[in-house]
Amino acid sequence: EDKVVQSPLSLVVHEGDTVTLNCSYEVTNFRSLLWYKQEKKAPTFLFMLTSSGIEKKSGRLSSILDKKELFSILNITATQTGDSAIYLCAVEHSNHQLIWGAGTKLIIKP
Amino acid sequence: EAGVTQFPSHSVIEKGQTVTLRCDPISGHDNLYWYRRVMGKEIKFLLHFVKESKQDESGMPNNRFLAERTGGTYSTLKVQPAELEDSGVYFCASSQDSWGPAAEQYFGPGTRLTVT
Repeated sequence: EDKVVQSPLSLVVHEGDTVTLNCSYEVTNFRSLLWYKQEKKAPTFLFMLTSSGIEKKSGRLSSILDKKELFSILNITATQTGDSAIYLCAVEHSNHQLIWGAGTKLIIKP
Repeated sequence: EAGVTQFPSHSVIEKGQTVTLRCDPISGHDNLYWYRRVMGKEIKFLLHFVKESKQDESGMPNNRFLAERTGGTYSTLKVQPAELEDSGVYFCASSQDSWGPAAEQYFGPGTRLTVT
């Protein structure tokens, strides 16, 4: 059965800290892995990863995929209170359906 | 515990036809959300039910889309008549509450709609 597992489930850090969020998966017919940030309703797209070893960066956020070990990490450096959110990892199946992780709830304390 | 399920997984219809997508939320979850992912990576909000009531339907694109949640359990999203631009993947999510610690949404795998 396809599954995506995120860890930790929740994380509380102080502003300025660096955090690493993990996403491991077992999915047949892998197409891509996506990271989203969810604050209110619709998740906001962060990254789409399809190739191993290529780091994608956007400001203080970066992500990388390891297709051999079947995991991805999302790094956030110099965290700010605005980074507080639920971070969702999803693996896109070849049929375009997404298998979602349970999310990591990140709380940044001032 | 069963997660959010959606049916069908993929639907291919012709322009002008009608399609009904179904979402079964996690049992006991009063909040149900519909989202759509069109072409790209962004996921757009469509609407939010609290039990059988529409709490927020600001994301519904037009009156060809009709969502219902009779009895406050499963929900359907009907597109009638379907247009080419309606193609995409429709996601459903549910949560126990709409705010607070139990507001985390659990997503279904989506229904891929292809309009030809």
